[in-house]
Amino acid sequence: AQSVSQHNHHVILSEAASLELGCNYSYGGTVNLFWYVQYPGQHLQLLLKYFSGDPLVKGIKGFEAEFIKSKFSFNLRKPSVQWSDTAEYFCAVSGGYNKLIFGAGTRLAVHP
Amino acid sequence: EAGVAQSPRYKIIEKRQSVAFWCNPISGHATLYWYQQILGQGPKLLIQFQNNGVVDDSQLPKDRFSAERLKGVDSTLKIQPAKLEDSAVYLCASSLDQGNQPQHFGDGTRLSIL
Repeated sequence: AQSVSQHNHHVILSEAASLELGCNYSYGGTVNLFWYVQYPGQHLQLLLKYFSGDPLVKGIKGFEAEFIKSKFSFNLRKPSVQWSDTAEYFCAVSGGYNKLIFGAGTRLAVHP
Repeated sequence: EAGVAQSPRYKIIEKRQSVAFWCNPISGHATLYWYQQILGQGPKLLIQFQNNGVVDDSQLPKDRFSAERLKGVDSTLKIQPAKLEDSAVYLCASSLDQGNQPQHFGDGTRLSIL
């Protein structure tokens, strides 16, 4: 069965700390990979996506993610977080027909 | 561009009552999705439309949930009768088509069942 696993449900960091959120997926074919973010009181929005090509993808607001096919992973990184990065982050995978399968999400709290 | 519009934002009903949610996708988007997000979980796809046809409704509890997109634009999702476990946020999303296109999400409807 297709599934997405996010390693951490809650992460607390201080400003300027580095961030890495883990994501592993289980899918039997060619996959497209996504990270979505939901800031407090806002709707889900796309942070970055991987379809093919360079496995290191860069998204908005200084975020990047690396696709490692052998590990079925798509971890999200940011070298220095800000208070405004406080949000919930969702990893997702899609196969045919653009159907998204989401992980359970990681709540990130950044303290000034 | 205007985003995906959903209404109402909040709804509280008693179990066994019925409820309906409305979604207006971004203009020109052929594909529309309804997701259910239970507290502490990621969104789960309930149904996907391509224009006014259903692409995937494999996870829609068809004994109580129904959805339509009659004119290929806006859509309604209905629950009748509601159960306690239906308490969730119902998200609508749209994309240009069902290829590798990003999905744009609405603010969702938070449903509480008493």
